[in-house]
Amino acid sequence: DAGVIQSPRHEVTEMGQEVTLRCKPISGHNSLFWYRQTMMRGLELLIYFNNNVPIDDSGMPEDRFSAKMPNASFSTLKIQPSEPRDSAVYFCASSFRLAGNTGELFFGEGSRLTVL
Amino acid sequence: AQTVTQSQPEMSVQEAETVTLSCTYDTSENNYYLFWYKQPPSRQMILVIRQEAYKQQNATENRFSVNFQKAAKSFSLKISDSQLGDTAMYFCAFTPREYGNKLVFGAGTILRVKS
Repeated sequence: DAGVIQSPRHEVTEMGQEVTLRCKPISGHNSLFWYRQTMMRGLELLIYFNNNVPIDDSGMPEDRFSAKMPNASFSTLKIQPSEPRDSAVYFCASSFRLAGNTGELFFGEGSRLTVL
Repeated sequence: AQTVTQSQPEMSVQEAETVTLSCTYDTSENNYYLFWYKQPPSRQMILVIRQEAYKQQNATENRFSVNFQKAAKSFSLKISDSQLGDTAMYFCAFTPREYGNKLVFGAGTILRVKS
């Protein structure tokens, strides 16, 4: 079975440019999460969706960040305009949430973003 | 707020020996799940082991086992017969049962297995 698929795997861009990261969750999963990993702050939850609806976006750092999930098989995380401090690895993860389940997240391989 | 603390930034162990990674957490919840994830140099996050707070028995997965002390809010990971492939960053994570699988991660411990 295919796991969580993220693209691009690496992105290098210049400050001020728009960046779009993409994620395809595991088929059948109904929850999707975007995490950011940096040396200084570790793994931070940015936003998560349940049944395509954003449930908690309290981790989104500022208005430059936006995330969408137009359907059950696709999500995007957009940064506009990008800044050097946005440089990080961005992970997408999915899970199947049912009352009483154990909460295992399945992660993609991450998108490494470098903003110059 | 829930927090997860991993007090060991780096650990080293000789191949075939046993190592224990520490994790403590802070929560007022009574029903929750705890996890250890492994992140090798490939960057992929891989679930190692999970523990449900209402189960008193410690979880085990082959060479990996946990020591879950609910009253002390402690959740350590023991790796027996360490292998070179165990070299990775290890993250402890926590989620209350009603939080929709929203995991809170610790800062991680880098484990190096030496030959």
